[in-house]
Amino acid sequence: EDQVTQSPEALRLQEGESSSLNCSYTVSGLRGLFWYRQDPGKGPEFLFTLYSAGEEKEKERLKATLTKKESFLHITAPKPEDSATYLCAVQAWTGNQFYFGTGTSLTVIP
Amino acid sequence: DGGITQSPKYLFRKEGQNVTLSCEQNLNHDAMYWYRQDPGQGLRLIYYSQIVNDFQKGDIAEGYSVSREKKESFPLTVTSAQKNPTAFYLCASSIDASGANVLTFGAGSRLTVL
Repeated sequence: EDQVTQSPEALRLQEGESSSLNCSYTVSGLRGLFWYRQDPGKGPEFLFTLYSAGEEKEKERLKATLTKKESFLHITAPKPEDSATYLCAVQAWTGNQFYFGTGTSLTVIP
Repeated sequence: DGGITQSPKYLFRKEGQNVTLSCEQNLNHDAMYWYRQDPGQGLRLIYYSQIVNDFQKGDIAEGYSVSREKKESFPLTVTSAQKNPTAFYLCASSIDASGANVLTFGAGSRLTVL
């Protein structure tokens, strides 16, 4: 069964304290792995798509990496405005569904 | 600006009532989706549609219904048969359903059953 597990559930960082969020997945043929950011009471906002092991993508203080079993979202020198819930989702080649993890709630303290 | 508009943002329903959540997109996307989000759970798929006049059930379709009469519109009806409808509902779209296409989400509708 296709599934996604994110850890930790919650993370508190001091401003400038770098860390990583984990997304472990089990899927029968990965079509794509997606990272989204969600602010409270709003819809998720797209960050990255990764397609194959070894791929990396960066955007400002965020860097996403992918292996055959997991993805990491690295946050370098975070700022308070990076506080949000980060969601990971996978899509398999069989079927058109996206499978979402439960998210990591990140709080960056000034 | 292109995007997805969901309405209403907040909705209160009495038990036994049906309610309809609106979702409109001007992105010219073929595929549209409805997800339910509950605290501590990942987004769960209710229904999706790949083309006008066609839609498929997701993992939690019981108690919900949809229609896709126009490419731009994909309304969701929460019926009285849905036993626990209080949740945050998200509509999304993608260019089509054939590739690893990015989902674009609306701002969500929060339904509370009184």
